[in-house]
Amino acid sequence: LAKTTQPISMDSYEGQEVNITCSHNNIATNDYITWYQQFPSQGPRFIIQGYKTKVTNEVASLFIPADRKSSTLSLPRVSLSDTAVYYCLVALSGNTPLVFGKGTRLSVIA
Amino acid sequence: ETGVTQSPTHLIKTRGQQVTLRCSSQSGHNTVSWYQQALGQGPQFIFQYYREEENGRGNFPPRFSGLQFPNYSSELNVNALELDDSALYLCASSLIDQGRTDTQYFGPGTRLTVL
Repeated sequence: LAKTTQPISMDSYEGQEVNITCSHNNIATNDYITWYQQFPSQGPRFIIQGYKTKVTNEVASLFIPADRKSSTLSLPRVSLSDTAVYYCLVALSGNTPLVFGKGTRLSVIA
Repeated sequence: ETGVTQSPTHLIKTRGQQVTLRCSSQSGHNTVSWYQQALGQGPQFIFQYYREEENGRGNFPPRFSGLQFPNYSSELNVNALELDDSALYLCASSLIDQGRTDTQYFGPGTRLTVL
């Protein structure tokens, strides 16, 4: 299973765009990149998943360069309610057990 | 809302006791995975159930066991509880179809405290 590395914490002001980068140097050909958001004492919430290039949904964008050794989650115009831990995972679209690291703790301040 | 439900929400037990946690998967899903999340850590994979059989297991002792029922709901049983078993227990449901698995969607979790 490919290991991921992401910053332990990040701070941002409300209204700013936040980019969280994750490195996954040993990603396998069939692996997908998935991001989850987790609030305290709640289950992780699926945000976005991608394989290559760019994926966008109503919540975030995911940028994946051609070598797929890293990915960047982009949250546009964050609000206080986006304060959470964000996990980057690499897996065969959920077939293999999800391997969570410690995630990135995002703090949004007014 | 993912449609994945877990019960109970909170539970307090004492060392040596046994506990059963329950999970109802999202409609249309046939696979349930269980995770343990200690305070300040990411979730750790316990095991996965697919078509009522264990379909992979993490590094957890045999006193952690599970079941999956014909309606794809699942139970996690923990015997001989230890203080370190205190954690948030999460279940995630997904669909395995023709060898491919869809994204895992998590329930709200059960907070277990062992005294």
